[in-house]
This record gives sequence, C-alpha cells and structure tokens, in this order.
Amino acid sequence: AQTVTQSQPEMSVQEAETVTLSCTYDTSESNYYLFWYKQPPSRQMILVIRQEAYKQQNATENRFSVNFQKAAKSFSLKISDSQLGDTAMYFCAFYNAGNMLTFGGGTRLMVKP
Amino acid sequence: DTGVSQDPRHKITKRGQNVTFRCDPISEHNRLYWYRQTLGQGPEFLTYFQNEAQLEKSRLLSDRFSAERPKGSFSTLEIQRTEQGDSAMYLCASSSDFRANTDTQYFGPGTRLTVL
Repeated sequence: AQTVTQSQPEMSVQEAETVTLSCTYDTSESNYYLFWYKQPPSRQMILVIRQEAYKQQNATENRFSVNFQKAAKSFSLKISDSQLGDTAMYFCAFYNAGNMLTFGGGTRLMVKP
Repeated sequence: DTGVSQDPRHKITKRGQNVTFRCDPISEHNRLYWYRQTLGQGPEFLTYFQNEAQLEKSRLLSDRFSAERPKGSFSTLEIQRTEQGDSAMYLCASSSDFRANTDTQYFGPGTRLTVL
C-alpha cells in the first residue's frame, strides 16, 4: 500500500514571498502520478498541479512548481509570489493507474498581508 | 463542462437514521469515486465505479454503507443506521478514460454530514 506524508501541519508566508511545502511518499510502483490539491476554507478541492513519475522535468503551472525527486520519493510544492487567495489546506496525493488517490494529511498555509 | 455536483451540501440527522447523498459527475466522465474527509485530515477512499460497475471498495466501507451508479451517470451513497462516527465530509470525484489527463480526478463541493 502507498503512503503519503506531509510533515508540516501548518505554515505561514508573507504576501509576495515564496514558500515550499514538503511531501514524501512510499511505493513499490514504478509508474504513478503525483498531485497537489488546494482546499480553501469551506470550499471544494481544486487541482493545483500534477506530475507524471516517468517525466524527469518538474511540472510548473504559473506561480506553482514542483521539485520531484523520484529516488528520494519526494514531491515538494513551491509557491512563488504568494497571494492572499493562496490561503488554504494543501494536500499531496499519489495515484497509480486505475486506482484511488492516496492523500497526505495536509498542510494549512496562511498567507499574511 | 459543468463541474462535479453533490446534493445535499449539508445534512444533519439523528443517530440511527438513514441518509442518502447524490453525486453528478462531469459529463461523459466514466469513473466516479467517493471519499470521506474528517476535520483537518486528508480524504480517504471509500469506493470507485467505472461506468456502472463498482470495482473497488475500501475496508472503511462497512456493511451500513452502500453505493450505486445504476446507469453509469450519477451515483448515490447511502448510510444506514447512522452513527456519530459517520460525521464527516463526503466527497465525490470523477475522471475520464477518454480525455487528456485521464488520471486527474475532479472533485465536487462535498456533502457535510452531522450525526447528532
């Protein structure tokens, strides 16, 4: 079974600064996908970014980028130029084809003005 | 595409009552997932449908829980004889075998269940 660990329960960052959220996972699979989802307070889960394990290039989506280290089984999310609207719970998730998502426990991010 | 929708958004019930939730996936998405999320935790997988077929169920899904997707479109999740431990957010997600990024699941707003 896969496990996903987010070691930072809470983080805060000043508006316009950069923050990195950590995620590690454990799997014996070689083909899989990794995701970061954002869940704002009382709002629904939104996909932030996805990474295919077979790709060496790190995924980027505007201000969001990942540092994917397959050998270390590490998948961190970097948010640049943080905005107040980035305040949310962030979940790292693992998926291998045809199966369910396995989520980490989440990191609560607060962006301060 | 309209997104995943869930109904009701909130449900308060008394212990021992039965409740039913509905999920409408994104149009033409053939995969549908149910997850449960307790406060401050990540979602946990409950069950998964591909079209009408229920392909996988978690050990979390006790015999009081049943899910259906009769025509391969919307799905229902029923909880019988609710217990206080069933209080949680129930999330539905859908994905497609036939579009780009087939592995990506899109979530609905969830149904928050409170059992008194």
